[in-house]
Amino acid sequence: DTEVTQTPKHLVMGMTNKKSLKCEQHMGHRAMYWYKQKAKKPPELMFVYSYEKLSINESVPSRFSPECPNSSLLNLHLHALQPEDSALYLCASSQVRGPGGPSEAFFGQGTRLTVV
Amino acid sequence: QKEVEQNSGPLSVPEGAIASLNCTYSDRGSQSFFWYRQYSGKSPELIMFIYSNGDKEDGRFTAQLNKASQYVSLLIRDSQPSDSATYLCAVNNYGQNFVFGPGTRLSVLP
Repeated sequence: DTEVTQTPKHLVMGMTNKKSLKCEQHMGHRAMYWYKQKAKKPPELMFVYSYEKLSINESVPSRFSPECPNSSLLNLHLHALQPEDSALYLCASSQVRGPGGPSEAFFGQGTRLTVV
Repeated sequence: QKEVEQNSGPLSVPEGAIASLNCTYSDRGSQSFFWYRQYSGKSPELIMFIYSNGDKEDGRFTAQLNKASQYVSLLIRDSQPSDSATYLCAVNNYGQNFVFGPGTRLSVLP
């Protein structure tokens, strides 16, 4: 089973709303990722959790707040977003291989976010 | 210099031909290399990964890695219209991250 499940699939929110994106995997992976992808662009790394600890934060604005409650779950809390934050938000997970870098990452189907 | 570069395409090949997709990377310390396929509106799907110099084959796909030249490629044999997609090269250059190239759009013509 190489499934990463993201909910919701689609989300429309106002600029004053608070919402959360959820991601779950049961592959025993200990690294989990949030990526943002705009149309016709590659995925852009936002956050990495390794062993449930935030290991990489790519200077993401504070209106995006990640949370890793346990090794299977990853959340992205959204608050006071701007229309330019509209994008496909992708969650991924991988094994941690140590100095050789991560194993291959598997992506969820994404959440299509529209900020109005 | 961008960390991971790819020809944006579109690359058009006739059905049954070999499609060759190329990727270069800037960080000599990069350890792991991945190819993903992404259909429009969908999430990236892993095709191949390669860690060592040389070739790695899986069905119609062959990944080639040359660390001295900082070059990784993907060959698709007997290309099918269903292979038409954007192909993303991803490189791990530190920690537990993946840096993606801009992607190459492949169009396989029936």
